[in-house]
Amino acid sequence: GAGVSQSPSNKVTEKGKDVELRCDPISGHTALYWYRQSLGQGLEFLIYFQGNSAPDKSGLPSDRFSAERTGGSVSTLTIQRTQQEDSAVYLCASSLGSVDTGELFFGEGSRLTVL
Amino acid sequence: TQLLEQSPQFLSIQEGENLTVYCNSSSVFSSLQWYRQEPGEGPVLLVTVVTGGEVKKLKRLTFQFGDARKDSSLHITAAQPGDTGLYLCAGARGGGGNKLTFGTGTQLKVEL
Repeated sequence: GAGVSQSPSNKVTEKGKDVELRCDPISGHTALYWYRQSLGQGLEFLIYFQGNSAPDKSGLPSDRFSAERTGGSVSTLTIQRTQQEDSAVYLCASSLGSVDTGELFFGEGSRLTVL
Repeated sequence: TQLLEQSPQFLSIQEGENLTVYCNSSSVFSSLQWYRQEPGEGPVLLVTVVTGGEVKKLKRLTFQFGDARKDSSLHITAAQPGDTGLYLCAGARGGGGNKLTFGTGTQLKVEL
């Protein structure tokens, strides 16, 4: 596709339910990132995938959060037993390679509201 | 732990005014990027600076990377309503790279 695609754009769920957020990166981009953003704030790193290497999961806030990337393309972020503090915009980004001099291309985000 | 602190957090100015946004850290970065984000959208890259002391200009925007590569600034001349948005700095640590660490953000509003 032309850009990074995320779905759903909005998700309202009840506390305790599981949610899945999907990211379809730009074709050919080997790196994929998930960030979380609270209203008007900076971005909090969650997880990073680079090619076939083991993902960098150092930003995942708890074991309720997990992510996978199938076939080096589409990624799914799963939040189990959601809590109200999980409410945020979840942003996915992809890049051609290292971020040292490269550019991250972001999707429009998935806004999660936990009631 | 927030490694990149931005100031000010909020800024509301009139059209035509100048402003500077600061991005500071105690850590050294191999490169630093500035993004702008508008409501309902993802951040979009404005510039990347990689050399200590580097200055880059993008129309009315001037970006500077500190000599020690620990800080950066964004200066906007004669701000316009179209400059309104959330400005984010982001640093990369280098060495093959993985994640970008984003700053706390500066929300800019330019009014007529």
